[in-house]
Amino acid sequence: QKEVEQDPGPLSVPEGAIVSLNCTYSNSAFQYFMWYRQYSRKGPELLMYTYSSGNKEDGRFTAQVDKSSKYISLFIRDSQPSDSATYLCAMSAGGRRALTFGSGTRLQVQP
Amino acid sequence: GAVVSQHPSRVICKSGTSVKIECRSLDFQATTMFWYRQFPKKSLMLMATSNEGSKATYEQGVEKDKFLINHASLTLSTLTVTSAHPEDSSFYICSVPDRGDYGYTFGSGTRLTVV
Repeated sequence: QKEVEQDPGPLSVPEGAIVSLNCTYSNSAFQYFMWYRQYSRKGPELLMYTYSSGNKEDGRFTAQVDKSSKYISLFIRDSQPSDSATYLCAMSAGGRRALTFGSGTRLQVQP
Repeated sequence: GAVVSQHPSRVICKSGTSVKIECRSLDFQATTMFWYRQFPKKSLMLMATSNEGSKATYEQGVEKDKFLINHASLTLSTLTVTSAHPEDSSFYICSVPDRGDYGYTFGSGTRLTVV
């Protein structure tokens, strides 16, 4: 079993749709949860981060963490074609340790 | 966050040759940097942790003699792929932990093709 499982992929939605991206994990030591966006052949860019359980909102993006279920989500409202990219969940136990990534979900927003 | 410069962005080399990839933290002194490898449509897999002034820590299954890491200063880590083979073709990305426990800035990646 992988430490971080990311589901689903790939995903194609029409412009304006609400997108839901999810990850589950098995390591209860993870405390910091992030979502990265990666465009083709580029390095990942940090979108959202959350410490422990809870919700965090930033513009059209909402991140949710449920540590009791070991489940994290990223919601994108009013999706735009420019949101088309691969979205990676990542997490760490803190202390500046390396991140553990999910496999990524490729999102295509159709105009 | 840190400004991270990685180069080259793309390199093609012949089998048997060595390739060096540089990762520079331009405005942040990084005692630690991470090197990841990413296969097409796959996630980032941690290869090693680069430690300034000491030996790198390699993940299980990563050949330390093949992937040489040097972190001689607080602003530069290098990854050298030695005696490259076609199976080493991949996307290599460095990362600098720079903002508390959640801030990691990534380089733009290096696409290595071994022919």
